[in-house]
Formats: sequence, C-alpha cells, structure tokens
Amino acid sequence: QVQLHESGPGLAKPSETLSLTCSVSGDSIRNNYWSWIRQPPGKGLEWIGHIHDSGSANYNPSLKSRVTMSVDTSKSQFSLKLTSVTATDTAVYYCARHFNGRFRENRGVIYYYYYMDVWGEGTTVTVSS
Amino acid sequence: SSELTQDPAVSVALGQTVRITCQGDSLRNYYASWYQQKPRQAPILVMYSKNSRPSGVPDRFSGSRSGNTASLTITGAQAEDEADYFCYSRGSSGHHLVFGGGTKLTVL
Repeated sequence: QVQLHESGPGLAKPSETLSLTCSVSGDSIRNNYWSWIRQPPGKGLEWIGHIHDSGSANYNPSLKSRVTMSVDTSKSQFSLKLTSVTATDTAVYYCARHFNGRFRENRGVIYYYYYMDVWGEGTTVTVSS
Repeated sequence: SSELTQDPAVSVALGQTVRITCQGDSLRNYYASWYQQKPRQAPILVMYSKNSRPSGVPDRFSGSRSGNTASLTITGAQAEDEADYFCYSRGSSGHHLVFGGGTKLTVL
C-alpha cells in the first residue's frame, strides 16, 4: 500500500525559502510522477506542480518563478522549494502520486486525463514574522 | 478566476441523485478527475478517466462528460457523501493543470 508523508518546518518568515519533503513508501519512486498541491485556509486546492523521477517538471505558471522540485531516488523522497514566501503562501501543503493517461474513442479521437490517486495527510505551513 | 468552473454549493435530499458539474474549454479534449474532501482531511480520488472509480469508492459515484462540461453524479446520496468536491484537469491556456474552485455538497 503506497503511503506518502510530508515533512518540513511549520513556520517560515516572509522572504525566506520554504522547503518541504515527501517520503514515499510502498511503491517505487521511479517511473512515476509526483505532485505538490496546496490549500490556503478556507479555500480550494491549488496545483503547484509535478515532477518525474527523470527530473522533468511542470509548474503552475503563477508560481513558476519561485518553485523548484526535485527527486532523490536513493531516499525515495521528492521535494519542494518555494522562494520569497509571503503570507499568501500560508496553506496546507499536500504531496501526491500523479498519473497521466490517454485513450482513443471509437471515432479515433484521443482523450487525455490526469489524476492523483494517493495523497499525503498534508502539512501546515504558516508564513509569519 | 479558475479555468475550471464549479458551482460553489449544491444540496441533495438523502437518497436522491445529485450531479456536480465542472465547466472549462479544456474539457472538450481532457477528462477531469474528481476529489472528495471532508473537513480537516486530505482529498481522496473518487473518479478519473472516462468513468473509472478507484477501489473502495462506492458505485453510486459515476462520471461523464459532454462538450465542455464534466459531471460527477451521485445516485442515492448518503449522509457520508457530504463534503467538498473538486474537479482537476488541464488548464485551457497551456500545459499546466488546474483544480476547479470546488463544490460544497450538503445532504439534507
């Protein structure tokens, strides 16, 4: 059974860099995509980005200039760094396993889909001086 | 505003059928996945691809798509289905992915 667990400081100061790690157990970190998602208090979910163990990453355009993701296959971990944080970065941060897929329908049209099937329990990060 | 639009709130009587929708231009070519989130819990996947349910998700949940609208239907809603529901798919303006704003489902 795949399990994910986020870890990192629960408090960050404005302008600092936020660093979080997600530990993967029960599945190989290789040949998979891994996502970060966040949820500000009382608000909806926001996709931060995802990364493949090859190092290929895709980031939310609104955060791209501040985000870096990486994978450490030797430790079965992947990480998120968010620079120059402000109070608006206060949120619960989740990691998840991400899948891409596609299928062809009868008329030959190809459809694509994306989903995240396993999530960590989330870690709360507060940005405050 | 989100590139995937959901009604903020929907209600359903216990045992009745409810449809939660997600609209966006990208949904003409991409299927949405759906997540259920209860208070103070992580989201869980309840639907993906054309109409696929992860193991453990009751078969009263079903998915569909028409034009630019994806739908999650609960047939015979139960009290435990009361939660926030989020759709997720590709954004219409690039290679990024987005969540809908979420729908709060109340079971009366």
